[in-house]
Amino acid sequence: AQTVTQSQPEMSVQEAETVTLSCTYDTSESDYYLFWYKQPPSRQMILVIRQEAYKQQNATENRFSVNFQKAAKSFSLKISDSQLGDAAMYFCAYRGFQYNQGGKLIFGQGTELSVKP
Amino acid sequence: EAGVAQSPRYKIIEKRQSVAFWCNPISGHATLYWYQQILGQGPKLLIQFQNNGVVDDSQLPKDRFSAERLKGVDSTLKIQPAKLEDSAVYLCASSFGTRGSQYFGPGTRLLVL
Repeated sequence: AQTVTQSQPEMSVQEAETVTLSCTYDTSESDYYLFWYKQPPSRQMILVIRQEAYKQQNATENRFSVNFQKAAKSFSLKISDSQLGDAAMYFCAYRGFQYNQGGKLIFGQGTELSVKP
Repeated sequence: EAGVAQSPRYKIIEKRQSVAFWCNPISGHATLYWYQQILGQGPKLLIQFQNNGVVDDSQLPKDRFSAERLKGVDSTLKIQPAKLEDSAVYLCASSFGTRGSQYFGPGTRLLVL
């Protein structure tokens, strides 16, 4: 069974600085998807970034980028120029590629990011 | 484009009572998911629908939980009877297909006393 591990329960960053959130996963599949979701307090889950495992190029969305290391099964999220609005719980998630697996997301435990002004 | 809608946003019930949650996915999204998020944890899939058929309900406690998606659009998740450990946020998500990105609703926060 696939598992996702986020080893940093809490992280803190100074406004305008850069922070990296870590995620590792375990799978025997060669094709899959990885995601980072953001969940602000009492607000809904928002998709931040998505990476397909068959793509070697790391995904980037504005200030958010990932470092995808397939051999190491590592998928970290880098937030550049951190803003107060980035404060939230961040979840790393895995999804299998095969149709017979459905489309369920397997989530890590989350990392709570605080941003200091 | 309207997002995923859920109601109610909050619900407080006593154990052994029943409760129902409603979800309306993004228009055109054939795949609908219900996740349970216990405080301090990541969400866990309860059930996945493709149109009005069930794709995965392996982690749904079928002795007390039920879900339906009549006509392949709206969905209802029911708990009967509720237990204390059912206190959680129930998230609905939808995607265009099983390989599409999932978009989440605001969730229903359930407290069982």
